[in-house]
Amino acid sequence: SQQGEEDPQALSIQEGENATMNCSYKTSINNLQWYRQNSGRGLVHLILIRSNEREKHSGRLRVTLDTSKKSSSLLITASRAADTASYFCASEETSGSRLTFGEGTQLTVNP
Amino acid sequence: GAGVSQSPSNKVTEKGKDVELRCDPISGHTALYWYRQSLGQGLEFLIYFQGNSAPDKSGLPSDRFSAERTGGSVSTLTIQRTQQEDSAVYLCASSFGWGGPETQYFGPGTRLLVL
Repeated sequence: SQQGEEDPQALSIQEGENATMNCSYKTSINNLQWYRQNSGRGLVHLILIRSNEREKHSGRLRVTLDTSKKSSSLLITASRAADTASYFCASEETSGSRLTFGEGTQLTVNP
Repeated sequence: GAGVSQSPSNKVTEKGKDVELRCDPISGHTALYWYRQSLGQGLEFLIYFQGNSAPDKSGLPSDRFSAERTGGSVSTLTIQRTQQEDSAVYLCASSFGWGGPETQYFGPGTRLLVL
């Protein structure tokens, strides 16, 4: 079963706006990762944040991690139509290197 | 290779037939994962190979599902006596398997349709 939960399930915004997606998990983790998926095909890794980090940036992406609340957020600033995709969080549990994926957020950026 | 490859891209089969899905990981990656993704859903873990260790099969949904990895490289996922509920995209991923925080590199997936 999936331990990750993401909200919102779907998000529709205008180009130029910021998009925020949230993720919760249930167990202790080594790290949390965010992936992007276009058209139901392979996932592409976006960013990894370790359990001892609170915030990380990569280009227009900003990820936060709150281990006390077992939650993470992904912020995409100045969104573009090309950012339209599904975004998944994945937690690596301390018990092993398996990743547990959330259900994903479908982001639509309207031009 | 340049990335993870999977074949076939699409597979249509009849209920009750067996299917084999292939994954070629990135050269040098010792860890290989199989996932299943139903339409509009997240990824469901199936099986994990790490080097020469016994695979973690805890995600396989039934004994109709099996996988092997020959020579520590190519992997084949076999589904016997396919059922309509097996219809999904099957994704393979590989990683270095060095023990530290790891990024998984995904193949494009095989879209399986069981009629």
